[in-house]
Amino acid sequence: AQKVTQAQTEISVVEKEDVTLDCVYETRDTTYYLFWYKQPPSGELVFLIRRNSFDEQNEISGRYSWNFQKSTSSFNFTITASQVVDSAVYFCALSEDTGNQFYFGTGTSLTVIP
Amino acid sequence: DSGVTQTPKHLITATGQRVTLRCSPRSGDLSVYWYQQSLDQGLQFLIQYYNGEERAKGNILERFSAQQFPDLHSELNLSSLELGDSALYFCASSVGLAVSTDTQYFGPGTRLTVL
Repeated sequence: AQKVTQAQTEISVVEKEDVTLDCVYETRDTTYYLFWYKQPPSGELVFLIRRNSFDEQNEISGRYSWNFQKSTSSFNFTITASQVVDSAVYFCALSEDTGNQFYFGTGTSLTVIP
Repeated sequence: DSGVTQTPKHLITATGQRVTLRCSPRSGDLSVYWYQQSLDQGLQFLIQYYNGEERAKGNILERFSAQQFPDLHSELNLSSLELGDSALYFCASSVGLAVSTDTQYFGPGTRLTVL
């Protein structure tokens, strides 16, 4: 079974629209960590955020915000007023406290149309 | 620029061959991680080294091996290559040992094409 599911394979939005990327995870650990990474067309993975399982506060960083809900095992990512530079593949990832492993979702390809 | 360097950028080889991918971590980072990104399997964690020692293993094939040298650079060796090994291989580094609490910084990747 997939530990991290990103059901949206591709999303296209028009510039300035808001967009939410979904991430659902599965773990039996009580301590775990969730991540979002951005992979622009250049290919390099860029770290965006890390949250631990004990901190359910939503986080906002500029136009980016993250909604962590343990009740639904989700860690969704919203981009407000999207820009062309946001076009990339976004990966959600999970690390459990045991095993020191890193599990990526299959990624969501976001295209922002000018 | 993450500070992690990988060489070569591109590698084209034939089935059955062996190749070595190289990674230099950010200055001060002791952990090196290797990942494979392919169309079939997505992004997969392969292996982690910390200060020269293997610390965690993911979905790494027996035909693949890695090591981390005293100067902390790492090499990923891929042997008896198959068409399915064609992928983008990423290296990442972090300061400490724990995948969970240390931010990983990724290199630009090495694109391997097996013909």
